[in-house]
Amino acid sequence: QQQVKQSPQSLIVQKGGISIINCAYENTAFDYFPWYQQFPGKGPALLIAIRPDVSEKKEGRFTISFNKSAKQFSLHIMDSQPGDSATYFCAASILLGGTSYGKLTFGQGTILTVHP
Amino acid sequence: NAGVTQTPKFQVLKTGQSMTLQCAQDMNHEYMSWYRQDPGMGLRLIHYSVGAGITDQGEVPNGYNVSRSTTEDFPLRLLSAAPSQTSVYFCASRRTFRDTEAFFGQGTRLTVV
Repeated sequence: QQQVKQSPQSLIVQKGGISIINCAYENTAFDYFPWYQQFPGKGPALLIAIRPDVSEKKEGRFTISFNKSAKQFSLHIMDSQPGDSATYFCAASILLGGTSYGKLTFGQGTILTVHP
Repeated sequence: NAGVTQTPKFQVLKTGQSMTLQCAQDMNHEYMSWYRQDPGMGLRLIHYSVGAGITDQGEVPNGYNVSRSTTEDFPLRLLSAAPSQTSVYFCASRRTFRDTEAFFGQGTRLTVV
């Protein structure tokens, strides 16, 4: 059962363009939504994260938009650069309460290619 | 500061062989976990540990065993390797299970023939 669904599987954008990756979740108990960035041959690394009490979080060129009622969240990369070319994973977790012990549930991943 | 170290980086096994993937962290993190990464499947949790001596199953535990005798080490054992276990394996750690940032190792690429 895939509790977090991510789209698209791959994305090609031109340098300077906007990259948008979408995720949808099912479990309304999730209270933490991170995005991880993975370069080839490396492990994933935390990029940006949001809690469901805010609708948007921005860090530099990276923004998370969160829609609690639709159970969706998305990553926007403004002014995309070739160095942003990587695989991006959304994830969800229950950090407060419950017995899930903070397990991260990941989406399927999006391979982003930014052409110069 | 080494962070999370995984060994080996690459491994080829024959069907039926057993082996142990090593994971060590030097950040004194209580929470450690193992994921496998397959194309189009994202990262799926195999086993996790909330502290030394405590382990539990994740989403895809069949065919794998873990133990946590020390805070630093969290080895993953493949009991009898199968081609379906061909994957890239990642170990990750967090300070506690309530902490937000997971630190990943560089991965072990395992091929079972």
